[in-house]
Amino acid sequence: IVMTQSPDSLAVSLGERATINCRSSQSVLYSSNHRNYLAWYQQKPGQSPKLLIYWASTRQSGVPDRFSGSGSGTEFTLTISNLQSEDVAVYYCQQYHETPYSFGQGTRLDFK
Amino acid sequence: EVQLLESGGGLVQPGGSLRLSCAASGFTFSDSDMTWVRQAPGKGLEWVSKIYFNSAKTFYADSVKGRFTISRDNSKNTVYLQMNSLRVEDTAVYYCAKEAPPTGWSDHWGQGTLVTVSS
Repeated sequence: IVMTQSPDSLAVSLGERATINCRSSQSVLYSSNHRNYLAWYQQKPGQSPKLLIYWASTRQSGVPDRFSGSGSGTEFTLTISNLQSEDVAVYYCQQYHETPYSFGQGTRLDFK
Repeated sequence: EVQLLESGGGLVQPGGSLRLSCAASGFTFSDSDMTWVRQAPGKGLEWVSKIYFNSAKTFYADSVKGRFTISRDNSKNTVYLQMNSLRVEDTAVYYCAKEAPPTGWSDHWGQGTLVTVSS
């Protein structure tokens, strides 16, 4: 499954909203449990990736509620509301619907 | 606290071999599937391999199939990645990650170990 993110980079002002899109080449929705096998990760410079969201819209424990995920099937969105300075990072989507698992190419988020 | 500590990276010539290790602590290792993910310098994340909690199944990216072997020792809380026939394009930071049971997202990651393949 090929994962494609857009845009490759974006610049947003502090306090504004950032929207990152992720598209999969085939559906990552299992009809048997109505779950989308899609996760989002954040990677800050010089750090390991950190899980933000799984099942496309469930926030990992400890992740601020300004991070939200939505979408189903093949189209997904990560929204970061009220952008904070610590949100500057590269964001990746990942499908875990089937192996080989795959990541999007990443979206770099900077301040405007 | 979950900790994952990778080791074994270094400089190797093309065609050579390396074995990476990832020592786990802070969770029930024998209940968790484990994954390796790599990141070439300045590039994005690439999923490499996965092993079931009980070693019953292993999975590989097409780019490493037949050259890399993932294994684990639940008595030592350690997962391994044996890398043979290394190529220049295998140069990357290799991360070990724990999967949240029973499905495939990675909820904890190690700090990574750098593998450099160069003559």
